[in-house]
Amino acid sequence: DQQVKQNSPSLSVQEGRISILNCDYTNSMFDYFLWYKKYPAEGPTFLISISSIKDKNEDGRFTVFLNKSAKHLSLHIVPSQPGDSAVYFCAFLNRDDKIIFGKGTRLHILP
Amino acid sequence: NAGVTQTPKFRVLKTGQSMTLLCAQDMNHEYMYWYRQDPGMGLRLIHYSVGEGTTAKGEVPDGYNVSRLKKQNFLLGLESAAPSQTSVYFCASIGGLAGGPRTDTQYFGPGTRLTVL
Repeated sequence: DQQVKQNSPSLSVQEGRISILNCDYTNSMFDYFLWYKKYPAEGPTFLISISSIKDKNEDGRFTVFLNKSAKHLSLHIVPSQPGDSAVYFCAFLNRDDKIIFGKGTRLHILP
Repeated sequence: NAGVTQTPKFRVLKTGQSMTLLCAQDMNHEYMYWYRQDPGMGLRLIHYSVGEGTTAKGEVPDGYNVSRLKKQNFLLGLESAAPSQTSVYFCASIGGLAGGPRTDTQYFGPGTRLTVL
């Protein structure tokens, strides 16, 4: 039973526009949500997190939104840049310290 | 400061052979994790540890064992390798205290690519 779902395997966005990556979850027993970026042949890199008591967290071009009633998380990247082309994973940290990942969304930034 | 390192980077095993993957971190982190990444499956948690001498099962623990005898090292063992264990294995660590800001950064190693024939 998949607890974290990223329903879009891939997404293409024009350079300079907004990229919106989505994540749905089923388990409400969590402390934090996290977003990671991964390039081929490298380990994932932490991007941004949000705690369960907040609905928005911003860091430069990256903003994460949490809608607890809908059990939905999204990552906004504005403006999108070529170096943003990568696989993005959402994950959550639950109350027994497990960090569970979604399957990832491959983002392509088009010139 | 090397961060998180993994040894080896690549390995080929025959079915039934055993091996140990080593993860080391020099950031004095309490929490360490082992994941496997397979095409279309994302990252799946195998085992994790919340401190020296402790281990716990993740989502896909069967066929693997772990040990955390020293805080800086987290070992993943395959006692009898199977082709289904062909994957890329990632180790990660994170600092902080329970309930604290331990999500500031989770560091991942570069991965170990394992092929079981």
